Amino acid sequence: GAVVSQHPSRVICKSGTSVKIECRSLDFQATTMFWYRQFPKQSLMLMATSNEGSKATYEQGVEKDKFLINHASLTLSTLTVTSAHPEDSSFYICSAREGTLTEAFFGQGTRLTVV
Amino acid sequence: TQLLEQSPQFLSIQEGENLTVYCNSSSVFSSLQWYRQEPGEGPVLLVTVVTGGEVKKLKRLTFQFGDARKDSSLHITAAQPGDTGLYLCAGEYFNKFYFGSGTKLNVKP
Repeated sequence: GAVVSQHPSRVICKSGTSVKIECRSLDFQATTMFWYRQFPKQSLMLMATSNEGSKATYEQGVEKDKFLINHASLTLSTLTVTSAHPEDSSFYICSAREGTLTEAFFGQGTRLTVV
Repeated sequence: TQLLEQSPQFLSIQEGENLTVYCNSSSVFSSLQWYRQEPGEGPVLLVTVVTGGEVKKLKRLTFQFGDARKDSSLHITAAQPGDTGLYLCAGEYFNKFYFGSGTKLNVKP
């Protein structure tokens, strides 16, 4: 159990376009989802937290108009990188948590390359 | 926000050696998780510790949560090449999970 599926695993897009990344909890209700960004050889940096049906809460320094997060259902959250630039190229990972359980489970990650 | 300091950043040891990875903070966490991550994949949960002073064992891995719930350690006994990977600690702080800087472990046969 506790499977989180992230799609796509890899995406290449042109500078100036928008890219949507999906994060789905397959066998539990994800009341909270977290979005992280990971640069090469570095750790995960929390970008934002979303609760189903509510607006996402963004960490300091993260542009909410650039990284649009939607958590419309208990099994799906999306991250849209708008007007992507090469510096947005990174590994984006989501995680999901059910209720107040202590564990959060991770998706496989999405490698975004902006050319 | 880098709430957690993890050390060492890199560790290269021979098969059969023991090692300890540390995760420290000045903040108190509701819980703390240890993950292992392979290149190009998401982190995989190894363990969660919740109670101060708690010790959990997972085969050759021993996890400890500090009494004050500010720090944790991961000890691996008789490391094997299959243990090679990136180990990450993550603390739960006000219902969010913040990661340490990570420890890249390389176990040489």
